[in-house]
Amino acid sequence: AQRVTQPEKLLSVFKGAPVELKCNYSYSGSPELFWYVQYSRQRLQLLLRHISRESIKGFTADLNKGETSFHLKKPFAQEEDSAMYYCALGKLWGSTLGRLYFGRGTQLTVWP
Amino acid sequence: DAGVTQSPTHLIKTRGQQVTLRCSPKSGHDTVSWYQQALGQGPQFIFQYYEEEERQRGNFPDRFSGHQFPNYSSELNVNALLLGDSALYLCASSFESSSYNEQFFGPGTRLTVL
Repeated sequence: AQRVTQPEKLLSVFKGAPVELKCNYSYSGSPELFWYVQYSRQRLQLLLRHISRESIKGFTADLNKGETSFHLKKPFAQEEDSAMYYCALGKLWGSTLGRLYFGRGTQLTVWP
Repeated sequence: DAGVTQSPTHLIKTRGQQVTLRCSPKSGHDTVSWYQQALGQGPQFIFQYYEEEERQRGNFPDRFSGHQFPNYSSELNVNALLLGDSALYLCASSFESSSYNEQFFGPGTRLTVL
């Protein structure tokens, strides 16, 4: 069965410190993995997806199939990074993206 | 483009009633997915509509039904409301033929069942 686990509900760091938000998944096929972010009073939006292998707002995430992990990292956290972060696994419908399975989310707070 | 829009913003119903939530997809999108987000949880997939048909469904009872119209907008209907149906209901749209396939989310409808 597909499952996404985010072990930390809350995470606090100081500005300038490194941050890592953990995500583990279980999926029998080839996973499509995403990180979504929700800033205060804003809608859920895509931060990055593993297939793009890009860095967005200084965040990166590497897919580790051996450890079934897709941790989100940033070397120097900023106060504006404070938000709720959701890891999601996408199940393909044919060749297109079907449903998303979300973790419960990690609330990141970056203190000044 | 306003992106994905949902109406109403908030809704209060009593147990046993029926509710209809509405979603307009982002311009150019043809696929609509609905998610339920309970307090403190991540969104859970309800179903997805494409070409006016439900093509995927999550683990939700038949009380949850939907519809997609020719203009790609969609409705989510919930019958015989239970207290446990209280949640934020999110609509997401995407473009079927896009290789990128990103799902764009609306702001949600907050449903409270008393």
